[in-house]
Amino acid sequence: EVQLVQSGGGLVQPGGSLRLSCVDYGSTFRSYWMSWVRQAPGKGLEWVANIRQDGREKYLLASVVGRFSISRDNAKNSVYLQMNSLRVEDTAVYYCVREGGGAFFDLWGQGALVTVSS
Amino acid sequence: DIQMTQSPSTLSAFVGDRVTITCRASQSISSWLAWYQQKPGKAPKLLIYKASTLQSGVPSRFSGSESGTEFTLTISSLQPEDSATYYCQQYKTHYSFGQGTKVEIK
Repeated sequence: EVQLVQSGGGLVQPGGSLRLSCVDYGSTFRSYWMSWVRQAPGKGLEWVANIRQDGREKYLLASVVGRFSISRDNAKNSVYLQMNSLRVEDTAVYYCVREGGGAFFDLWGQGALVTVSS
Repeated sequence: DIQMTQSPSTLSAFVGDRVTITCRASQSISSWLAWYQQKPGKAPKLLIYKASTLQSGVPSRFSGSESGTEFTLTISSLQPEDSATYYCQQYKTHYSFGQGTKVEIK
């Protein structure tokens, strides 16, 4: 079964760091752009970052530029979100997402809760 | 940035009713629009892409249409398992989502 399995969420103090990981089981990972999408508690969806198949093109939400970075390892079928200088407003469930043929999001991970609190 | 305005924010309907959710883009996005369904505690699920193409495995009671910058998700006959929050998303320029529509069963 094709699925994205995430790890790495947790509780962190403001200013701290956290790294989220996502492994793609069952699909041709290196063929797809990958994204991270987050959802604050009780709120809607917000795209955070994405990365091209070869890792050479990346985009980030303006509010996380300089704090977050996205990377991938095609040999491990994995994508990562490194989050530094975390703020209370970064508290959310973070989803790893595969971008389908037309840049829509056709496969989602199970989500990882990141709580930024003192 | 492209803003997506979704309405209504909540709706309540009976099983068997025809339900319509609307999403308006702040500028032209051609047909680069997707619809997602999210149930509590779960990840969103892709229903429709390119405004009207049904994702594999999605029941045919779901359909999408477009008129200019206005897009519509229709559930032709509401079922109990359709109780969820629905989001539209444009993917013409980066990505942005509508605020969501919570669909409840009366």
